[in-house]
Amino acid sequence: NAGVTQTPKFQVLKTGQSMTLQCAQDMNHEYMSWYRQDPGMGLRLIHYSVGAGITDQGEVPNGYNVSRSTTEDFPLRLLSAAPSQTSVYFCASSYQQSYEQYFGPGTRLTVT
Amino acid sequence: AQSVTQLGSHVSVSEGALVLLRCNYSSSVPPYLFWYVQYPNQGLQLLLKYTSAATLVKGINGFEAEFKKSETSFHLTKPSAHMSDAAEYFCAAREVDSSYKLIFGSGTRLLVRP
Repeated sequence: NAGVTQTPKFQVLKTGQSMTLQCAQDMNHEYMSWYRQDPGMGLRLIHYSVGAGITDQGEVPNGYNVSRSTTEDFPLRLLSAAPSQTSVYFCASSYQQSYEQYFGPGTRLTVT
Repeated sequence: AQSVTQLGSHVSVSEGALVLLRCNYSSSVPPYLFWYVQYPNQGLQLLLKYTSAATLVKGINGFEAEFKKSETSFHLTKPSAHMSDAAEYFCAAREVDSSYKLIFGSGTRLLVRP
């Protein structure tokens, strides 16, 4: 049972490039979400999903896309990277009826 | 909209001293409340949670938190700090409805002096 996994751990992009951050969980959790962590701002919700085929926007969705074709995977796409998207990105998952969210180890993204 | 405020971006204590990290929430309806810990270069780990049962909640590693509705607070305490407690701590809230969204405070970095 690997829990929540994220790849890559580190990534450097140039402005305007696109990429996908991967997130997978093997706990059969219905709910998955993406957060970004910036110094002094805690974690802010980007997008979330309550099940396969269902996604919705969080607090800071601009510049990011998500899809949920399977229960296990919830990739986050940066369409055209900007320096303001330099951050640490965390994926999390939980059962719908559970209170606790389980977090992945994070992806540190730098956009130059 | 719900907001979570953590007083003090940095708290420094001596090893063996009391740890007190402050958290206040804004909702008029008490939400579910959580404390998470983040060690350097790692993800977040749940310390404890309040889900409208007991107001004094015990968590892992000797931490506990008390929910006080009158003060809209959920402060985290530990009687005796250990060097291994040095980390960043986040308070988070989730509305008591069908939403699963967590709203995080800005975090408090705990430093433990030998």
